[in-house]
Amino acid sequence: DAGITQSPRHKVTETGTPVTLRCHQTENHRYMYWYRQDPGHGLRLIHYSYGVKDTDKGEVSDGYSVSRSKTEDFLLTLESATSSQTSVYFCAISGRQGSGSYNEQFFGPGTRLTVL
Amino acid sequence: QQQVKQSPQSLIVQKGGIPIINCAYENTAFDYFPWYQQFPGKGPALLIAIRPDVSEKKEGRFTISFNKSAKQFSLHIMDSQPGDSATYFCAAIISGAGSYQLTFGKGTKLSVIP
Repeated sequence: DAGITQSPRHKVTETGTPVTLRCHQTENHRYMYWYRQDPGHGLRLIHYSYGVKDTDKGEVSDGYSVSRSKTEDFLLTLESATSSQTSVYFCAISGRQGSGSYNEQFFGPGTRLTVL
Repeated sequence: QQQVKQSPQSLIVQKGGIPIINCAYENTAFDYFPWYQQFPGKGPALLIAIRPDVSEKKEGRFTISFNKSAKQFSLHIMDSQPGDSATYFCAAIISGAGSYQLTFGKGTKLSVIP
């Protein structure tokens, strides 16, 4: 998984509670991404980061916020979880510093989140 | 609006067969087309990728064919094996757009029967 870890790997929570998912990389990649994967929808981008404290929205960003305080970590927060946010969440990275290649994205193992 | 359309949704082939997965895109600004392989409970893994200035690329038993005028590309798996059973995603990206966002197809679940 290209030096990418996600935590927790599984989480069950209740509607209305805040949830934070963590992505940690040891590969010194500049870009980090959060995707969600749902049956029939494939993978959809939630938010991405192009550097420390530099983030932007993706296709399905409503209800999610992110933060990146250092190169290695990218946090995804659900301020008030809803049942529609039950999904598998994947972190991805691209653009190893100094490589000049940003197109190849490498994915973490995923976090399965269930909101009851 | 789905920018990358993938077909079929599912595919069953016998061992040794050649499954073909097709993708079509709409945005001519896409300039990099990767394929990802995903096993149950795992994250997607980059399998092979192609740029539009190349009509075909092979890596082992996996081949991408690219038709720029038709805005279509496909994945062929030669001599398929049961271990190839997985979900395959095509994707497209616009390089240098600042975000390097991948636009994914919805996936094809491949089953290779022994």
